[in-house]
Amino acid sequence: EIVMTQSPATLSVSPGERGTLSCRASQSVSNNLAWYQQKPGQAPRLLIYGASTRATGIPARFSGSGSGTEFTLTISSLQSEDFAVYYCQQYNNWPQTFGQGTKVEIK
Amino acid sequence: QLQLQESGPGLVKPSETLSLTCTVSGGSISSNSYYWGWIRQPPGKGLEWIGSVYSYTGGTYSNPSLKSRLTMTADTAKNQFSLKMNSVTAADTALYYCARHVRRYCGGTSCFNFHGGGFFDYWGQGALVIVSS
Repeated sequence: EIVMTQSPATLSVSPGERGTLSCRASQSVSNNLAWYQQKPGQAPRLLIYGASTRATGIPARFSGSGSGTEFTLTISSLQSEDFAVYYCQQYNNWPQTFGQGTKVEIK
Repeated sequence: QLQLQESGPGLVKPSETLSLTCTVSGGSISSNSYYWGWIRQPPGKGLEWIGSVYSYTGGTYSNPSLKSRLTMTADTAKNQFSLKMNSVTAADTALYYCARHVRRYCGGTSCFNFHGGGFFDYWGQGALVIVSS
């Protein structure tokens, strides 16, 4: 099973600042990597797939990069609605595995 | 707009069987482009993929850690898919989500399948299942 490790566990950012979240895979997953956003009391929402392709309706301030084992989700200018928990997920191999999440909180 | 809705008992006794159904509206589960998956989230914790069913063939994919306790089926006539998990314990208490699991991507003039699964693009609102006597 591929283990996904996210860092940091918590990211404290002021509104308008850039936020950078990391996700590392225990072995290469090529570009088969997705990012999700989850707000309290809501289901996760797909943000990025293919490591860098934004899902339908996702604002351009969200961008993904990386391949192989190292991936980054960048939020260029954090808005109030972006404070949430973010998960990465690999789909290069069965079983599907998620990172443990990064909580983005208001500084 | 595709919608998914989980349904089933919210309270299950230890050692008994958890049963959930996901009803899909706004699209067919018969498409060969998608699996239909289950993901769970214990209170205050992260996401764990449980398994997915491919209604096109009836095939299933399961998390090895849960495989021996799972039964997943799809009913294309009702546009529903279901999860059964037996021998539950308190550790199975969680919010259970159903989701569309994208296995095939089409861009430009070509399509290709993800050989290791796929990503989840539509999710239900989740069903809380508590395992307690």
